[in-house]
Formats: sequence, structure tokens, C-alpha cells
Amino acid sequence: EVQLVESGGGLVKPGGSLRLSCAASGFNFKNYNMNWVRQAPGRGLEWVSSITTISSHIYYADSVKGRFTISRDNAQNTLFLQMNSLRAEDTGVYYCARLWFGESGDAFDIWGQGTMVTVSS
Amino acid sequence: DIQLTQSPSFLSASVGDSVTITCRASQGIGRNLAWFQQKPGKAPKLLIYAASTLQIEVPSRFSGRGSGTEFILTISSLQPEDVATYYCQQLSGSPSTFGQGTKMEI
Repeated sequence: EVQLVESGGGLVKPGGSLRLSCAASGFNFKNYNMNWVRQAPGRGLEWVSSITTISSHIYYADSVKGRFTISRDNAQNTLFLQMNSLRAEDTGVYYCARLWFGESGDAFDIWGQGTMVTVSS
Repeated sequence: DIQLTQSPSFLSASVGDSVTITCRASQGIGRNLAWFQQKPGKAPKLLIYAASTLQIEVPSRFSGRGSGTEFILTISSLQPEDVATYYCQQLSGSPSTFGQGTKMEI
């Protein structure tokens, strides 16, 4: 079964750090660009960061640039998001998602179940 | 950044109805648009990509059309299990952006 499973969320104080992980299974992880998308409580979806297959290209939303670092370990089939200098507005569910290049277009076709990050004193 | 505006933000319909959700982009994005369904407490589920291509195993009552700046998601013969929030997403410009969502109630 094709699957993504996030972990590493939790409660952290403002200014603190967390490292999220996303374990991939059921597909050839190293062949896919990957993404992090977050959702604040009761709000919509926000793309956070993306990384290409061999980590040659990395992109961040302006809201997290300089604070978050995306990385991947293709040998371990795992995607990471290191989050530093956390703020209250970073609170939300964080999803990892696979970017799939379909015949007619691209899509975030596989999503994990999400991991909750709460930034509060 | 490319802005996506969905309308309506909230939609109430009855079982068996046909409903449409519109997604307008602030600039042309070709056909690089996807639609997602998200149920409470669950991850988004891909319904349609490339504006009109139905993802595998998605019921045929879901359809999409459009190009450029205006896109439409249609759900024909609404079912109780279609209660969810629906999002559009553009993958044309960087960063990828999402619409604000349309909450569907039956």
C-alpha cells in the first residue's frame, strides 16, 4: 500500500524547535518530489516547503523562510521538516504530500494523515 | 503569488442535487489546477487534476472543467458522503497556492 506517515508533532513553546518526519512506503520514494503542507485550526491549506528528488532544489513559503529546513533521506525513505524559532501562527496540522507527474498534469496525489504542532506558552 | 478565490464559501444542498464550485485564479494558470475533498479530521483527498482529469477510484459524479483563470468543480447527484470541504490548488506558479475552501452541507 502506498503510504505516508508523519510523526514528530507536539506542544512547544514560542521560540522552540521541532523536527517532523514523514515515512514513505509502497512506492519508490527517491523518484518523487515531496512537499509539506499545513493547516491552521479551522483554516485552509497552506503550502510550506518542497524538495526535489535529489535535494537539488528546495523551496519555502515566505512565512517560514529562514526558520524551517526541509530535507530527505532517500536511503531511509523519509522526509523531514526542521522547524526552529516557532511562533504561535505555526500552530496546525502538518501534512507531507507526494508530487506526482501524471500524463496530463501534476498533482499532490498522496498525503499523510498529518501531525499536530501546537506552539503555545 | 497567484491567488485562488473559491465561490461560494459555503454551500447547502440536498441529496440528488447537482452542485458547482468555482475557482478563479488571479492570473492565467493554463490547466494546472487540482481539486481536493477534505472531511473533518482527515487529510485532503485528490479528486481531479489538470483541471478535468478524474483521479483513479474517484466516483464519476465528480467532474471538473476550465482553463486559464476560471475553473469549475461539479458534483452531480450529491450523496451524503460528499459532505466535506473542497479546495482548489494551482501548480502553475511558485509557490503553489490553495483556494480558501468551500464547505458543503447536505
